[in-house]
Amino acid sequence: QSALTQPRSVSGSPGKSVTISCTGTSSDVGSYDYVSWYQQHPGKAPKLMIYDVSKRPSGVPDRFSGSKSGNTASLTISGLQAEDAADYYCCSYVGSYTFVVFGGGTKLTVL
Amino acid sequence: EVQLVQSGAEVKKPGESLRISCKGSGYPFTDYWIGWVRQMPGKGLEWMGIVYPADSDTRISPSVHDQVTMSTDRSITTAYLQWSSLKASDTAMYYCVRGSLRNFDSWGQGTLVTVSS
Repeated sequence: QSALTQPRSVSGSPGKSVTISCTGTSSDVGSYDYVSWYQQHPGKAPKLMIYDVSKRPSGVPDRFSGSKSGNTASLTISGLQAEDAADYYCCSYVGSYTFVVFGGGTKLTVL
Repeated sequence: EVQLVQSGAEVKKPGESLRISCKGSGYPFTDYWIGWVRQMPGKGLEWMGIVYPADSDTRISPSVHDQVTMSTDRSITTAYLQWSSLKASDTAMYYCVRGSLRNFDSWGQGTLVTVSS
């Protein structure tokens, strides 16, 4: 099972919006609504930002939103703030053999 | 408050054994799966496996299933990740996570394992 495909990097200006894509296949992202997104600042543990494609845990700002179309999931961050600069990883349940796979990660730069 | 507190950094030689731990608190330990995620130096996250403390049901990634053992001790609300013979390629940060196969809602602070001769 290959890692899900994410862009290596994205960037945006403060106040603007960015979208990070996460492309899988019909066997993983396309088959299950169990996509989650994690934010990781340098030297820190990751943090859950989105689960079940589009749900936000308590405490996560509503500037963060998730969606899915076919085999591609997306994380959109609106009203970019400096503290949003981090690495972002998507993750999906992929069935009863490999179970779970992460994307390769996307570095978000806030210009 | 949910907390996962991991054991400290380790430096080992190839071929040595190792067990690292993760103590859960602030929630009913047996109600949630607890698992492990690896991050090699400068690389991305890699899911390793997950254990259900209530019955020790375990799901391990095919990429590591013959290399590590995962277990829990309900009496002290602690999860373990164990190697019998370390390799240099096991050098990584290891995070314990609470959750399920669908998502991981709490993360430990990480345990850095360095394997070098």
